[in-house]
Amino acid sequence: EAGVVQSPRYKIIEKKQPVAFWCNPISGHNTLYWYLQNLGQGPELLIRYENEEAVDDSQLPKDRFSAERLKGVDSTLKIQPAELGDSAVYLCASSLGGGLDTQYFGPGTRLTVL
Amino acid sequence: GNSVTQMEGPVTLSEEAFLTINCTYTATGYPSLFWYVQYPGEGLQLLLKATKADDKGSNKGFEATYRKETTSFHLEKGSVQVSDSAVYFCALLFTGNQFYFGTGTSLTVIP
Repeated sequence: EAGVVQSPRYKIIEKKQPVAFWCNPISGHNTLYWYLQNLGQGPELLIRYENEEAVDDSQLPKDRFSAERLKGVDSTLKIQPAELGDSAVYLCASSLGGGLDTQYFGPGTRLTVL
Repeated sequence: GNSVTQMEGPVTLSEEAFLTINCTYTATGYPSLFWYVQYPGEGLQLLLKATKADDKGSNKGFEATYRKETTSFHLEKGSVQVSDSAVYFCALLFTGNQFYFGTGTSLTVIP
């Protein structure tokens, strides 16, 4: 079974530029999560989707961050414009359903903003 | 509020040594508890979990027991191997799907 796929793995941009991250969850997984992981910290939830609906986006900085999950499968997370403090690893995870279903994480995208 | 406190690392052990990584939590209600592991260059993987008090999660020789009275979920392994070198994250989950992760503990096992 293929795992969660993320791309790109690494991205370097200058501040004020836009950037987008892509996630392909495990086939059949209805729930998709985006997390932010700062260096030396644990992941923090940004947004959770149940199929194509964003059911928890309370931690997403909506002034510059946006996300979509068209057709309830792949998802894209965008930052526009990026700031220096956005440098971090962006993780995508998926699970069959919500609740206590095991979350499977992708390898992450490491973003560096110069 | 809800939070997870993990033993700070890095931790360096010799092969076959006993491992304990402490994890305590603060929570309103009764969360489920997890240990995730992140091997170098890979994504987080679920190592074990426990969903109610006194449950013991176990996998790959690792164990952790959900202790409600001490609000703890310490990770233990009797004999570590070089291949166990990774970063270990304690996490708690409420039914509202909100995961709270600790800051991670880096483990290096030397031959």
